[in-house]
Amino acid sequence: QKEVEQDPGPLSVPEGAIVSLNCTYSNSAFQYFMWYRQYSRKGPELLMYTYSSGNKEDGRFTAQVDKSSKYISLFIRDSQPSDSATYLCAMSGSSASKIIFGSGTRLSIRP
Amino acid sequence: GAVVSQHPSRVICKSGTSVKIECRSLDFQATTMFWYRQFPKQSLMLMATSNEGSKATYEQGVEKDKFLINHASLTLSTLTVTSAHPEDSSFYICSARSGLAGGNLDEQYFGPGTRLTVT
Repeated sequence: QKEVEQDPGPLSVPEGAIVSLNCTYSNSAFQYFMWYRQYSRKGPELLMYTYSSGNKEDGRFTAQVDKSSKYISLFIRDSQPSDSATYLCAMSGSSASKIIFGSGTRLSIRP
Repeated sequence: GAVVSQHPSRVICKSGTSVKIECRSLDFQATTMFWYRQFPKQSLMLMATSNEGSKATYEQGVEKDKFLINHASLTLSTLTVTSAHPEDSSFYICSARSGLAGGNLDEQYFGPGTRLTVT
């Protein structure tokens, strides 16, 4: 079993829709949870960074962490074609530890 | 945000040759740098962690004699793939953390990646 599971997609939604991206994990030691956006042939870019359980909002993006279920989500409101990319969930046990990545979900927003 | 560059962005080499990839933190000092490998439609897999001035720490299954890492300064790390084979063809991404004592997760910045093709 992988430490982090993420549906690879692809996921295609119309512009303006709410997008929900999810990951599950098995290691209860994870405390830090991140979402990265990766455009084709580019390096990942940090979108959201949360510690422990709870919600965090930043503009059109909301990250949710449910440690009891070992489940994290990223919601994108009012999705735009420019949001089309691969979204990687990632997590770590401490702020200085290595980051474990999910396999990424390919998202396409149709104009 | 902080900028990490990689050079070259793409490289094609013949089987059996060596290739060097450079990773630079352009506007900050990075005590810790990371090298990842990403196969198509797969996740980033950490290969090694390097701290400036000391030997790199390799992940299990990564051959340290094949993937030579040098972190000679606070702004430069290099990855040399020695005796490359077609199965080494992949997308190699470096990452650097700013700040002292290894930095924090939200201070880890990724380079644009290097596409290596071994023929």
